This record gives sequence, structure tokens and C-alpha cells, in this order.
Amino acid sequence: EPEVTQTPSHQVTQMGQEVILRCVPISNHLYFYWYRQILGQKVEFLVSFYNNEISEKSEIFDDQFSVERPDGSNFTLKIRSTKLEDSAMYFCASSETVRGRPQHFGDGTRLSIL
Amino acid sequence: AQKVTQAQTEISVVEKEDVTLDCVYETRDTTYYLFWYKQPPSGELVFLIRRNSFDEQNEISGRYSWNFQKSTSSFNFTITASQVVDSAVYFCSTSGGGADGLTFGKGTHLIIQP
Repeated sequence: EPEVTQTPSHQVTQMGQEVILRCVPISNHLYFYWYRQILGQKVEFLVSFYNNEISEKSEIFDDQFSVERPDGSNFTLKIRSTKLEDSAMYFCASSETVRGRPQHFGDGTRLSIL
Repeated sequence: AQKVTQAQTEISVVEKEDVTLDCVYETRDTTYYLFWYKQPPSGELVFLIRRNSFDEQNEISGRYSWNFQKSTSSFNFTITASQVVDSAVYFCSTSGGGADGLTFGKGTHLIIQP
């Protein structure tokens, strides 16, 4: 069964550094998403991406964050100048279409900011 | 804006017991979608079921069943004859109103004891 893959599984970064989280969505899916889950808390929507541009973003997704689809398969989340509170599990998801179709999640990248 | 309430933070039952996880949602949208996801101890998010606001039919899939009631804005999840492998955090979520992102509840940690 096709799946969303995320790399790395765990990323440790010094505060203030830039980090890039990578995702390969399911190949025939058109919509891509990033979510984060701070330890022990609920999953929070960050951003959705369609047709090479941001479709929707939450208030969490400020200027520190950016997303990109650099080629036909990868979808990346960049966090500039990381802060301690950016420590979380980051999930990538994809869906065939938007608004109502199931979003299939990757296994997540655990980001630890020191 | 959507809101999802999962009032049960943690439930512990003995294997083979039936257990129901509650989910209450709030939305002003007439068209919306409801989802359940499972997060086992390994951390990934596994899609379980999707319902749209026009389909109030209950659904059964093996030991899992879902009861959607618009009158009470609830979308409850029942596991019959629970098994240790069912131990996980279960998240109820919703999307609607033209929004791409899912709004998650805080999750219910289900512990099935042998």
C-alpha cells in the first residue's frame, strides 16, 4: 500500500539554526500538508499546499516557516532560526483531493531543539 | 471555526471488554467531514474512518463501529471485544467550510490491559 515517507525520523538542532524536514507524499496525491504535535498534546495544522503554492495556513505558520516542492516527489518544511518551542513531532500528510478526502500521514519527524 | 472535544483523556479496560470513545464537534458549516485517527505507541497516525455531514449511517468494520448523530453533534467510536493491540491514542477530527486543515481533538488514550 502506498505511504507517505518522512526523513529524518529524528532531527536534533541547535537553537537558532535552520532545519529542513523532508516528505515524499503518495504519488497520485495532489494536496500536501504539514502538522505538528508538541509532546503530549493534540495534532495542529500548519499548512496545506496545492498546485505549487500554499492553499491555506494556520496562525502557527508564521514567517519562520516555509514550504517547497523542489521536484516532482519531495515536499519540504523549512524552519528558520529555530526556537526551543519548535521542538515537536512534525507530520506530513497527503490526500487525493482536498476537503473531505482522508489525509494519509507519514510516520513523523521528531524535532528536538537544544 | 471548528472545534472537537474528546472529554475522555484516558480510558483503561480489561481485554475483551467493549469500549466507547466519545467525540463532540462544533461547526457552523453545513458541509463538513469527520475522521478518526489512531496513534499507536510507535507514533504514526493511522486513518480509520471518514464521514461526511450528509451521511448519518452508522458504520461497522470488524470490531470497530462508529455512531454519527448530527442532533447531538457527536461521532462516537466503539471497539467491541477489545484487544491489547488496540492500545493507542485515538483522535477525532473534523474539516469543513472550505478549510483544508483538519482540526483535531486532544485525543483519548486507550489502555487495554491483558
